Amino acid sequence: EAAVTQSPRNKVTVTGGNVTLSCRQTNSHNYMYWYRQDTGHGLRLIHYSYGAGNLQIGDVPDGYKATRTTQEDFFLLLELASPSQTSLYFCASSDLGVYEQYFGPGTRLTVL
Amino acid sequence: KTQVEQSPQSLVVRQGENCVLQCNYSVTPDNHLRWFKQDTGKGLVSLTVLVHENDKTSNGRYSATLDKDAKHSTLHITATLLDDTATYICVVGDRGSALGRLHFGAGTQLIVIP
Repeated sequence: EAAVTQSPRNKVTVTGGNVTLSCRQTNSHNYMYWYRQDTGHGLRLIHYSYGAGNLQIGDVPDGYKATRTTQEDFFLLLELASPSQTSLYFCASSDLGVYEQYFGPGTRLTVL
Repeated sequence: KTQVEQSPQSLVVRQGENCVLQCNYSVTPDNHLRWFKQDTGKGLVSLTVLVHENDKTSNGRYSATLDKDAKHSTLHITATLLDDTATYICVVGDRGSALGRLHFGAGTQLIVIP
């Protein structure tokens, strides 16, 4: 079973704050993804990566940066957090692209 | 525009009853459709994946169908348990490769009461 971990699990920050969400997968998957989940909406893709050093823009990238430092680690950066970024963030990894993604437990971010 | 619509939005059943969740989509192409279970505040766990026209799958008390002509899928849960309380999410992949995108429904919240 693929293992994807996220940290922190909960984070509270203030408007304008700087936040980094971390994701690690230990299954040597090439693909990693960051999503946000909001009530009444399906998960929406923020950024994704094909491998270390690679970054692709997703469907809702505004206000977010990401960096894939190693095959295992994918970070989501909010440099000037806003209340509209209050959400549940999921990381996922895959060896087969979109066909089978394994999801982490999520990080709940609140921006006051 | 939402391309994956799930119904009902929420559903309450008594333990032991059966239930059916619906998923209609407009995603094209539609390479595969997957149902996930999401416990409150937790990650998504895959229940089953459907790939072919008129596909049917079974995974314990969960069974699913896919009609690609109608772009419609159903998830059946038989003899519900309290632990089935969760949100069930329908996801359509437009390709099977890394070039594709996943299109997520907003989910059906199922509550199983004693």
